[in-house]
Amino acid sequence: DAKTTQPPSMDCAEGRAANLPCNHSTISGNEYVYWYRQIHSQGPQYIIHGLKNNETNEMASLIITEDRKSSTLILPHATLRDTAVYYCIVTERAGGKLIFGQGTELSVKP
Amino acid sequence: EAQVTQNPRYLITVTGKKLTVTCSQNMNHEYMSWYRQDPGLGLRQIYYSMNVEVTDKGDVPEGYKVSRKEKRNFPLILESPSPNQTSLYFCASSFGPDTQYFGPGTRLTVL
Repeated sequence: DAKTTQPPSMDCAEGRAANLPCNHSTISGNEYVYWYRQIHSQGPQYIIHGLKNNETNEMASLIITEDRKSSTLILPHATLRDTAVYYCIVTERAGGKLIFGQGTELSVKP
Repeated sequence: EAQVTQNPRYLITVTGKKLTVTCSQNMNHEYMSWYRQDPGLGLRQIYYSMNVEVTDKGDVPEGYKVSRKEKRNFPLILESPSPNQTSLYFCASSFGPDTQYFGPGTRLTVL
């Protein structure tokens, strides 16, 4: 079973920031938080990951709470092409495996 | 271009007719895996391989076989396909099992 809880769906206006929450209250000390997304039946695409510090790359930012029990993926300026299912995954980095839950279906609207 | 390729992309077959879905990556990754995706069940791992000649079962291995004779290739074999193996299949590769690169998918229908 997935170790994360995400809202099933969210809407976001084009050009605005999309903030996708994820709860992972049972995360252990050596587990990382990963985010992937899947655009309409294409292969999932890696976005970002982190352990306890906030992370940023060219695609998104990841904010992890101090107690590490939840995180937020931020797409700073959402576009229509960001419409996808976003998966939050918790796993160990070495020897771990990806367990995909149901994810959040993000709809970016004009 | 760094990529994971799968063939075929679409396949319709009949029950019991052996088939192979190929997967190849050009990134020199050690780790490769296969997933299937079904409505309401999400993505589930079938098999994975940590390196050449090393394979292990994922969450739903029944009815599937794999082999890893070369680093770049990781074929998925269905010896006797059944209708419940109708699904969307993804191959993935990475240096480790976390930041995986996924192929475009193979949509399989077993009649």
